[in-house]
Amino acid sequence: KAGVTQTPRYLIKTRGQQVTLSCSPISGHRSVSWYQQTPGQGLQFLFEYFSETQRNKGNFPGRFSGRQFSNSRSEMNVSTLELGDSALYLCASSSEAPWTEAFFGQGTRLTVV
Amino acid sequence: AQKITQTQPGMFVQEKEAVTLDCTYDTSDPSYGLFWYKQPSSGEMIFLIYQGSYDQQNATEGRYSLNFQKARKSANLVISASQLGDSAMYFCAMTASGNTPLVFGKGTRLSVIA
Repeated sequence: KAGVTQTPRYLIKTRGQQVTLSCSPISGHRSVSWYQQTPGQGLQFLFEYFSETQRNKGNFPGRFSGRQFSNSRSEMNVSTLELGDSALYLCASSSEAPWTEAFFGQGTRLTVV
Repeated sequence: AQKITQTQPGMFVQEKEAVTLDCTYDTSDPSYGLFWYKQPSSGEMIFLIYQGSYDQQNATEGRYSLNFQKARKSANLVISASQLGDSAMYFCAMTASGNTPLVFGKGTRLSVIA
């Protein structure tokens, strides 16, 4: 069974640009969540999508957005990049069964210069 | 709201020894789940073990066990017979809504010494 796949693995962008990250969940998983990991703030929840609908949202500005497609693949977009957006962005997929673990991808490391 | 506290930024352990990583949590929800994840330098979060708030017994998964003390709101991870490959960041996390969102602690960096 293939794991969670995130692309690209590394990105370097300039301030003011926008970026799109992609996440393919485990086959059969309809829930996809995104997290931002920085040395200062640790792991913070961005949003969760389930069956193409945003189900939960963290406390991030509107520059951070996402979507989910009918095949459960998800993308997140960050517009007008700031230096502080430099982080490891992790995607996690989980099954519909509650109280089960989330499976994470290897992340996309975004550097904003 | 949920909160996870991991008070050990870094730990060292001798190979083949056991080590305990501390985790305390705070929530007003009666139902919640506690997770431990391992993050090696590659970045991927690897699930280790889960404990539900209503589980009567402490969870175990191979060399990993969870010392769950509900009254003290602690969920410490015990790794027995440490191996060099156990060197990584370890995160305690919880959810009160079934699966997500997960609230993470700051993590503990474990270094296993030969």
